[in-house]
Amino acid sequence: AQSVAQPEDQVNVAEGNPLTVKCTYSVSGNPYLFWYVQYPNRGLQFLLKYITGDNLVKGSYGFEAEFNKSQTSFHLKKPSALVSDSALYFCAVRRTGNTPLVFGKGTRLSVIA
Amino acid sequence: IAGITQAPTSQILAAGRRMTLRCTQDMRHNAMYWYRQDLGLGLRLIHYSNTAGTTGKGEVPDGYSVSRANTDDFPLTLASAVPSQTSVYFCASSDSNSNEQFFGPGTRLTVL
Repeated sequence: AQSVAQPEDQVNVAEGNPLTVKCTYSVSGNPYLFWYVQYPNRGLQFLLKYITGDNLVKGSYGFEAEFNKSQTSFHLKKPSALVSDSALYFCAVRRTGNTPLVFGKGTRLSVIA
Repeated sequence: IAGITQAPTSQILAAGRRMTLRCTQDMRHNAMYWYRQDLGLGLRLIHYSNTAGTTGKGEVPDGYSVSRANTDDFPLTLASAVPSQTSVYFCASSDSNSNEQFFGPGTRLTVL
C-alpha cells in the first residue's frame, strides 16, 4: 500500500525568504508524485507532478519540487515566499497506472510580511 | 459547465436522513473519486470509479455508496447520515493521459 507523510503541520516563513514543505512517501514500484494547494473555502488546485525524467520539477506560481529516490522524498520549495502563498499544501502519491491518489495530512504554510 | 461541479454547496442534515451529493464533470474523464476532508486527517478516499459502470471502495467507504451510470456523473449517497459524517466532501476526476486529479469546489455537510 502507498502512503505519504508530511511531518510538519505548520510552516512559518518570512516574506522573501525561501520556503520548504517536506514530504516523504512509500510506494511499491515507481511513484507518481504530486503537490496540491488549497486556499480557504476552496477545492484543491494542482501545483506540479513528478512522473519520470528530471528530478527537479517546476510548477505553478514559482514552486518547484525535487524527487529524491534514495530518501523517498519530494519536498516542495520556492526561492522567495509571498504572503499570497499562505495556504494548505498537500503531497500525494499514486502507483503507476490509473489508481487513486493517496494524500498526506497537509501542511499549513504561513508567510509573514 | 466547465470542469467539475458539486451540489449542494453546503447542507445541514438531521441524523438518520438520506442524502445524495451530486458531482458532474464535463472533461470526459474516465476516472472519478470522492474524498472527505477532516481537520488533521487530510483527504481520505471514500469511493472511486475507474470507468463508467465500475466502482471501488477507498479507505473509508462505510456508510456511503456510489454509482456510475455514465461518464459525467458520480453521485455519493449517505443512506442514513450520522454525525461522524460531518465533513467537507470533494469530488475529483482524472484521465490516464494527464495523471493529475481535478477537484470540485466541495460540499460542506453537517449532520446533527
